[in-house]
Amino acid sequence: DVKVTQSSRYLVKRTGEKVFLECVQDMDHENMFWYRQDPGLGLRLIYFSYDVKMKEKGDIPEGYSVSREKKERFSLILESASTNQTSMYLCASRSLQGTGEKLFFGSGTQLSVL
Amino acid sequence: EDQVTQSPEALRLQEGESSSLNCSYTVSGLRGLFWYRQDPGKGPEFLFTLYSAGEEKEKERLKATLTKKESFLHITAPKPEDSATYLCAASTDSWGKLQFGAGTQVVVTP
Repeated sequence: DVKVTQSSRYLVKRTGEKVFLECVQDMDHENMFWYRQDPGLGLRLIYFSYDVKMKEKGDIPEGYSVSREKKERFSLILESASTNQTSMYLCASRSLQGTGEKLFFGSGTQLSVL
Repeated sequence: EDQVTQSPEALRLQEGESSSLNCSYTVSGLRGLFWYRQDPGKGPEFLFTLYSAGEEKEKERLKATLTKKESFLHITAPKPEDSATYLCAASTDSWGKLQFGAGTQVVVTP
């Protein structure tokens, strides 16, 4: 089965720090996504990438950037962390094989910004 | 503006008590309707993709259906292990971006 691995399960950072969240997938998928999940708001798309070095903004890109230097790795960067970026961050990669399209998600990174 | 709305927000069921979750969508050009299950502290786990009105898919005690305006997730004779948050999401473009609803939290008691 597809494996999407997020480097950290829990992360605590200070306001103003630069934060890197890493995500690796093992199935050679072209499309990868970063979502954040907040209670009552559901999952919201921050950025996505459709190929190496290619990226597009999602619905809430402000305060974030991304990097995709290799196909299997998609990084989310918080340039200067703020308390309103405390959230659960979920990475996903997209499969088009088999019975149909689906996104595979990592286990998530719970980020707390103090 | 594209919108996906799930109801109810929370559902408490006795073991064996069947019920349905609703996902209504207002999007321009639905490509696919997705259902996911999410356990506390974990990422969403894929359940189903539905592509056209009238389509149905089943997996164990779960059955998903799709109309032109909404989707239902039917849980038949649920067990405590079916307790989770169920998310639905709509896809409207070829990139695979998903617009998620806020989810329905289901608790099944023995």
